[in-house]
Amino acid sequence: DAKTTQPPSMDCAEGRAANLPCNHSTISGNEYVYWYRQIHSQGPQYIIHGLKNNETNEMASLIITEDRKSSTLILPHATLRDTAVYYCIVRVTSNTGKLIFGQGTTLQVKP
Amino acid sequence: NAGVTQTPKFQVLKTGQSMTLQCAQDMNHNSMYWYRQDPGMGLRLIYYSASEGTTDKGEVPNGYNVSRLNKREFSLRLESAAPSQTSVYFCASSEQRLVYEQYFGPGTRLTVT
Repeated sequence: DAKTTQPPSMDCAEGRAANLPCNHSTISGNEYVYWYRQIHSQGPQYIIHGLKNNETNEMASLIITEDRKSSTLILPHATLRDTAVYYCIVRVTSNTGKLIFGQGTTLQVKP
Repeated sequence: NAGVTQTPKFQVLKTGQSMTLQCAQDMNHNSMYWYRQDPGMGLRLIYYSASEGTTDKGEVPNGYNVSRLNKREFSLRLESAAPSQTSVYFCASSEQRLVYEQYFGPGTRLTVT
């Protein structure tokens, strides 16, 4: 499984876009990039995933570079409720479901 | 729909005591999971069940047992609790074909003294 590297913390002003980077330089061709977040004291929440194309849903956008060695999660208009730890996870599609969480990025959205 | 529910929310045990953490989901998911999260750490997978009737070890299975009682319920048992098992325990579920889109419960905060 590819290792991921994320900055330990980031700040963002409320109403601005939050761009959270993730480096996965050893990713292989069949590995997907998944993003989760964990708001304080709650269970993690699935946000979005992608393979090589950019993806967008009601929560966020995922931009994956052409060489797939890095990606960026974009929260277009961050609110105070988006303050959380964000996890970037790389996994091969399989039937085991073994999510491996690293340290993630703590995003602090400030008024 | 309640999603994934866990009981109890909080528990304090003495070393050597046993207990069972309960998890249930109402999303008709085939796959279910148990994770633990220690302070300041990411989650680690304890056990998972890809479908009713099957269970498999995750990263940190020692000291735990699981039972997939039926499609809805997946329990985690500590036979002889140790202080190292003080943690927050999360249960999750997913569709079998979307195993990495997991839905998590609110967690059980366990302290072993």
